[in-house]
Amino acid sequence: QKEVEQDPGPLSVPEGAIVSLNCTYSNSAFQYFMWYRQYSRKGPELLMYTYSSGNKEDGRFTAQVDKSSKYISLFIRDSQPSDSATYLCAIQLDQGAQKLVFGQGTRLTINP
Amino acid sequence: NAGVTQTPKFRILKIGQSMTLQCAQDMNHNYMYWYRQDPGMGLKLIYYSVGAGITDKGEVPNGYNVSRSTTEDFPLRLELAAPSQTSVYFCASSYKPDSTEAFFGQGTRLTVV
Repeated sequence: QKEVEQDPGPLSVPEGAIVSLNCTYSNSAFQYFMWYRQYSRKGPELLMYTYSSGNKEDGRFTAQVDKSSKYISLFIRDSQPSDSATYLCAIQLDQGAQKLVFGQGTRLTINP
Repeated sequence: NAGVTQTPKFRILKIGQSMTLQCAQDMNHNYMYWYRQDPGMGLKLIYYSVGAGITDKGEVPNGYNVSRSTTEDFPLRLELAAPSQTSVYFCASSYKPDSTEAFFGQGTRLTVV
């Protein structure tokens, strides 16, 4: 079983739609949860970061963590063509650990 | 502010050849990382460094070597290139050890034929 599972998509939605991206993980010891956005032929960039169960909002983006189900989500409201990218979830064991475990990434296209 | 700079951007190697992927950061970050990204597989940690002179293995270190003689530079060496090393390589750096502030370079696309 992979440590982090993410539906690779691709996912294509019309502009303005609400997008839901999801990951599941197997190790309940994981404590830190991140979402990266990666544009084509670019390096990943950190989008959001949380370490507790519940929701965290940043503008049109909401990160949700459910530790009891080992499930994390990223919601994008009022999606824009500029949101078209690959979204990677990443999970870390604890603050001192150097190992970041990435999901496979979901390729998202927002159609104007 | 250049951030994390990787060179070269693209490279084709023949099986058995060697090369060094260069990574430099100008943010005075202590922590630096090398990842590889294969299609549909996410990123996997190859090596990391917590400061000049200190390196350690990540998840997939076989076939690679690193050194960290300065804070700024963290080169990745491939000895005896194999087709399985065809991938996109990303270097990253961070100020904090938990990587939440990690900055990634643009990547090096390597093909081994």
